[in-house]
Amino acid sequence: GQSLEQPSEVTAVEGAIVQINCTYQTSGFYGLSWYQQHDGGAPTFLSYNALDGLEETGRFSSFLSRSDSYGYLLLQELQMKDSASYFCAPRGDDKIIFGKGTRLHILP
Amino acid sequence: DTGVSQDPRHKITKRGQNVTFRCDPISEHNRLYWYRQTLGQGPEFLTYFQNEAQLEKSRLLSDRFSAERPKGSFSTLEIQRTEQGDSAMYLCASSSSLAGALYEQYFGPGTRLTVT
Repeated sequence: GQSLEQPSEVTAVEGAIVQINCTYQTSGFYGLSWYQQHDGGAPTFLSYNALDGLEETGRFSSFLSRSDSYGYLLLQELQMKDSASYFCAPRGDDKIIFGKGTRLHILP
Repeated sequence: DTGVSQDPRHKITKRGQNVTFRCDPISEHNRLYWYRQTLGQGPEFLTYFQNEAQLEKSRLLSDRFSAERPKGSFSTLEIQRTEQGDSAMYLCASSSSLAGALYEQYFGPGTRLTVT
């Protein structure tokens, strides 16, 4: 079967660092994507890990451990505009699967 | 604007009516996906196309839902005999099928359906 777990909500302070964890179980795993979605907006692609390790893209980094079926998204120097929902999305076979997402609240 | 577009952006219909949505993907993308999203949930996969071929349809999708991509460009999603439970945001996304690009999907703004 398939399962995906990430925290439903996370709260952090502007300027701080936050980590959003994701554990997954899926058939035919190829890699893990992360998407951001602002209220009323469409999901937008942030990053993808095909191999174990850390991928850095500006203030955002994403990590994958295939052996642990685990990944995380790290957001640094948080800004108010980072308030959004974040989805980890494992890629299996020919499609990606979205979970319920993590709602990130940022306090000034 | 060369992004994914969807039409209409909002649709209000009465229960029992049929509705059709359109999606125009990024022109060079041969993969096209349809998702449904309700409040507080992530996008739920409905179906996808590679060119004009519909390669997979979610088992959760009832027979009232049908999708087409006749010329491998735009796609339509039709819902027949709508029910109140069909109220949701319907998202379209496209991607290249080249190796290493399948994971990066570009989403349209969505069509918000309200069934009264």
